Amino acid sequence: GAVVSQHPSRVICKSGTSVKIECRSLDFQATTMFWYRQFPKQSLMLMATSNEGSKATYEQGVEKDKFLINHASLTLSTLTVTSAHPEDSSFYICSARDKTSGGAYEQYFGPGTRLTVT
Amino acid sequence: GQNIDQPTEMTATEGAIVQINCTYQTSGFNGLFWYQQHAGEAPTFLSYNVLDGLEEKGRFSSFLSRSKGYSYLLLKELQMKDSASYLCAAGWGGKLIFGQGTELSVKP
Repeated sequence: GAVVSQHPSRVICKSGTSVKIECRSLDFQATTMFWYRQFPKQSLMLMATSNEGSKATYEQGVEKDKFLINHASLTLSTLTVTSAHPEDSSFYICSARDKTSGGAYEQYFGPGTRLTVT
Repeated sequence: GQNIDQPTEMTATEGAIVQINCTYQTSGFNGLFWYQQHAGEAPTFLSYNVLDGLEEKGRFSSFLSRSKGYSYLLLKELQMKDSASYLCAAGWGGKLIFGQGTELSVKP
């Protein structure tokens, strides 16, 4: 149980285009999903917290107009990188919190999406 | 603010024991998590401490001292497959704040 999927696993796009990444909880309902970015040999940096049916909360320094997050249902959140630039190339990982979980901090991670902007 | 520190790299020998330390300073604290991450993959949950003391799970144990803002992950009977990055994360404000990760290399 507690499986989170991401799609696509890898994507290459041209500078200036937009890319959408999907995060799905496959066997549980997730009231909260988190989006992280990880550069090579660095740790996970939280970008934003996404709650179903409401606006995402972005961490300081993350441009909300550039990284659009939509959490339209209890099993799906999407991250759209708009007008991508080479410096946006990174490993993007989502995680989800089980609605029924008693653990307030327990998160299940997706497999990640490798974005390369050329 | 929050600050979480752990060593950048460690090397250990197959079959040995290794301890990875993590110190944290957070204004408000709701538990300490340890994750394992292989290159290019998602983190996988190892352990969670909210109270002081030792939590043991097979070859992995984790210890927490809240008064000292200190935790460690202990890996016993090291195997080559344990070569990975180990991330400690503090629960804070409904979120997880990650340290920079410790890259562990297990050598024969």
